[in-house]
Amino acid sequence: EPEVTQTPSHQVTQMGQEVILRCVPISNHLYFYWYRQILGQKVEFLVSFYNNEISEKSEIFDDQFSVERPDGSNFTLKIRSTKLEDSAMYFCASSELLYPRTANEQFFGPGTRLTVL
Amino acid sequence: AQSVAQPEDQVNVAEGNPLTVKCTYSVSGNPYLFWYVQYPNRGLQFLLKYITGDNLVKGSYGFEAEFNKSQTSFHLKKPSALVSDSALYFCAVRDIVSGFQKLVFGTGTRLLVSP
Repeated sequence: EPEVTQTPSHQVTQMGQEVILRCVPISNHLYFYWYRQILGQKVEFLVSFYNNEISEKSEIFDDQFSVERPDGSNFTLKIRSTKLEDSAMYFCASSELLYPRTANEQFFGPGTRLTVL
Repeated sequence: AQSVAQPEDQVNVAEGNPLTVKCTYSVSGNPYLFWYVQYPNRGLQFLLKYITGDNLVKGSYGFEAEFNKSQTSFHLKKPSALVSDSALYFCAVRDIVSGFQKLVFGTGTRLLVSP
């Protein structure tokens, strides 16, 4: 069964450093997402991406964050200058393009645990 | 703004007994509703969704959920719990009117099934 994959599984970085989290969505999916889950808290939406552009973003997704689909398979989340409060589990998700658009379920990867020291 | 409430932090049930995990939602229009399960150190796995039609939705692993528009609820149920069902369960909503893709999640309910 196809699945979303994410690398690395755990990333440790120093405050102020840049990190790139990588995701390979399910191959025929066209919508891509990043969510994060701070330890013990709920899953929060960061950004959605379709047709090579951001379609929606939350207030968390400020100028320190960016997303990119550098090739036909990878989808990345970059944090330019990490802060302590960026420590969280980051989940990538993808979904098909179905009609109506909002009816499609999202399939999540296993997550990358980011620890900022 | 859309929101989801999961009033119970934890639900305890004995194996073989029926289980219910509660979820209520708030959206400006009609909702799309989802249940996901998270096992330790794993990502979120899709269980089931309500889009339209029959209010009782069946999903993976024997789970089902009942959509109740008047009570704005979407409770997750299973007739006979298994120890392996022990996990963290998240209810999520998407607002049809807004057209946005984002899922808004509840805080999660930990289900503990005892042998």
